[in-house]
Amino acid sequence: DQQVKQNSPSLSVQEGRISILNCDYTNSMFDYFLWYKKYPAEGPTFLISISSIKDKNEDGRFTVFLNKSAKHLSLHIVPSQPGDSAVYFCAASARNFGNEKLTFGTGTRLTIIP
Amino acid sequence: NAGVTQTPKFQVLKTGQSMTLQCAQDMNHNSMYWYRQDPGMGLRLIYYSASEGTTDKGEVPNGYNVSRLNKREFSLRLESAAPSQTSVYFCASRLTGGGYNEQFFGPGTRLTVL
Repeated sequence: DQQVKQNSPSLSVQEGRISILNCDYTNSMFDYFLWYKKYPAEGPTFLISISSIKDKNEDGRFTVFLNKSAKHLSLHIVPSQPGDSAVYFCAASARNFGNEKLTFGTGTRLTIIP
Repeated sequence: NAGVTQTPKFQVLKTGQSMTLQCAQDMNHNSMYWYRQDPGMGLRLIYYSASEGTTDKGEVPNGYNVSRLNKREFSLRLESAAPSQTSVYFCASRLTGGGYNEQFFGPGTRLTVL
């Protein structure tokens, strides 16, 4: 049972345009959401997060939107740059597990076309 | 600060052999985690340790054992390796308390079981 889903395995975007990565979840107990970025042969690195009490969090070129009623979150990257080409993982945690466990989606490979 | 370090980087085993994957962090984090990443599956939690002296099962613990040797080190042991354990293994750590803090990942160990 995949509780965090990233339905697009890959996405290609022109440099300078907006990249939108999507993530859906099924467990209503999730209250904190994170995005990680992963380059080949490296470990994932934290990008941005959002608490369930908010609907938007922004950090430079990266913005995460949360729609709790739809159990959907999205990551917007504006403008997209070649260095953004990587695999992006959505992850979620629940306070009733002490926020110890992260449940990851399967990832979306983003390719920025110069 | 080295962050989270993992050894070895690569390993090839034969079915039935045993080995221990080592992980250490120098960030004084309380919690440590072991994940495996398989194609199309995202990252799945094997075991985690919320504090020194405690360990708990994650989503896919079968075939693995862990030891939280001290606050810095968390090892993962395969007693009798199987081809199904061919994967990339990531160790992570997190500082707990004072709100949610993200997990920091090591560079990974690529394991092949023949």
